[in-house]
Amino acid sequence: AQSVTQPDIHITVSEGASLELRCNYSYGATPYLFWYVQSPGQGLQLLLKYFSGDTLVQGIKGFEAEFKRSQSSFNLRKPSVHWSDAAEYFCAVDGGGTYKYIFGTGTRLKVLA
Amino acid sequence: EAGVTQFPSHSVIEKGQTVTLRCDPISGHDNLYWYRRVMGKEIKFLLHFVKESKQDESGMPNNRFLAERTGGTYSTLKVQPAELEDSGVYFCASSPLGVETQYFGPGTRLLVL
Repeated sequence: AQSVTQPDIHITVSEGASLELRCNYSYGATPYLFWYVQSPGQGLQLLLKYFSGDTLVQGIKGFEAEFKRSQSSFNLRKPSVHWSDAAEYFCAVDGGGTYKYIFGTGTRLKVLA
Repeated sequence: EAGVTQFPSHSVIEKGQTVTLRCDPISGHDNLYWYRRVMGKEIKFLLHFVKESKQDESGMPNNRFLAERTGGTYSTLKVQPAELEDSGVYFCASSPLGVETQYFGPGTRLLVL
């Protein structure tokens, strides 16, 4: 069965520091991969997605993610975090084009001034 | 272009009562999805409409949940009778036909007392 693991439930970083949020998935082939963000009081916003091709994907708000097939990972990164990045981040996969997303449990990011 | 909208934003009801959640997808999006996040857990798929037809309802927890999409536009999700374990955030998402990326609404926060 497909699954997504986000090992870090909470992460705290200082403003200006770099950030990496981990995501590992379980699926036989390469799924479609997504990162969403939910800011306080807001809905889920798509940050970026990977379907095929270049394994380094650029998204909105200065985020990027790298697909590593050998590690079944799709980690999200940002070189310099801003206070407005404080939110909850979700990794999701859609295996086989089922249109049924499997989400991780989310990582809540806290940014220290 | 308006995004996915959901109504109400919050609902507090007593066990045994009925609640109806509404979702208005992005105009022109024939795919409509419902997801649910129970406190502290991952966001889980409930069902998928293509126009007015249920494409996949494998995630619906039990027969107390009824989803409809008359006319292929907005959708409703009715919970009758509500139980304590139904509390959570209910998300709706939509996408055009043939497009994997789903666009999420802000969610409805349901609390069953």
